[in-house]
Amino acid sequence: KQEVTQIPAALSVPEGENLVLNCSFTDSAIYNLQWFRQDPGKGLTSLLLIQSSQREQTSGRLNASLDKSSGRSTLYIAASQPGDSATYLCAALRSNDYKLSFGAGTTVTVRA
Amino acid sequence: GAVVSQHPSWVICKSGTSVKIECRSLDFQATTMFWYRQFPKQSLMLMATSNEGSKATYEQGVEKDKFLINHASLTLSTLTVTSAHPEDSSFYICSAPTGDGAYEQYFGPGTRLTVT
Repeated sequence: KQEVTQIPAALSVPEGENLVLNCSFTDSAIYNLQWFRQDPGKGLTSLLLIQSSQREQTSGRLNASLDKSSGRSTLYIAASQPGDSATYLCAALRSNDYKLSFGAGTTVTVRA
Repeated sequence: GAVVSQHPSWVICKSGTSVKIECRSLDFQATTMFWYRQFPKQSLMLMATSNEGSKATYEQGVEKDKFLINHASLTLSTLTVTSAHPEDSSFYICSAPTGDGAYEQYFGPGTRLTVT
């Protein structure tokens, strides 16, 4: 069974600071790993998708790395803004059944 | 990116009634869709996998007779909560993966169900 853990559970930073969100998973047999953003009462917005053969993906101020052998992924958000305040979820797609296993999320607050 | 919609966005119903939630892939076809449930301040829990043209498969502990799933076309899956009770109150979210081999999942905006 895939267990996904996200640390820290919550993070509060002043505007402009860089954010580092950590995700770990127990089973390295993953097809891909996705990072999502969820605003309160809303659905999930896909931020970055890293295939199992890739080491990182970048989109604008966001960069995500993947180390499958050690079961870790990290999401970096550069120069944070108040609009980045949300809950960030990582999810690993299992190779055997293509089902997502979610972490509990990191709730980020960026103070103006 | 691909777009998944859900309807309704929120619904209030009385205990004992049934509620249907629709999940549509707007700009791509999805032979498989997934239904999740999310409790306040918790992560998503997979309830079932919806398969176009065949029966849904349910996760352990999910009552298939309470949560009826129908995947009638390549763009529509429905979740019906039968004989709803207050403990069924939750946020229900669907997702659909792209069929291009990347298997990126796109999520609907969610449906807030309140059973009174």
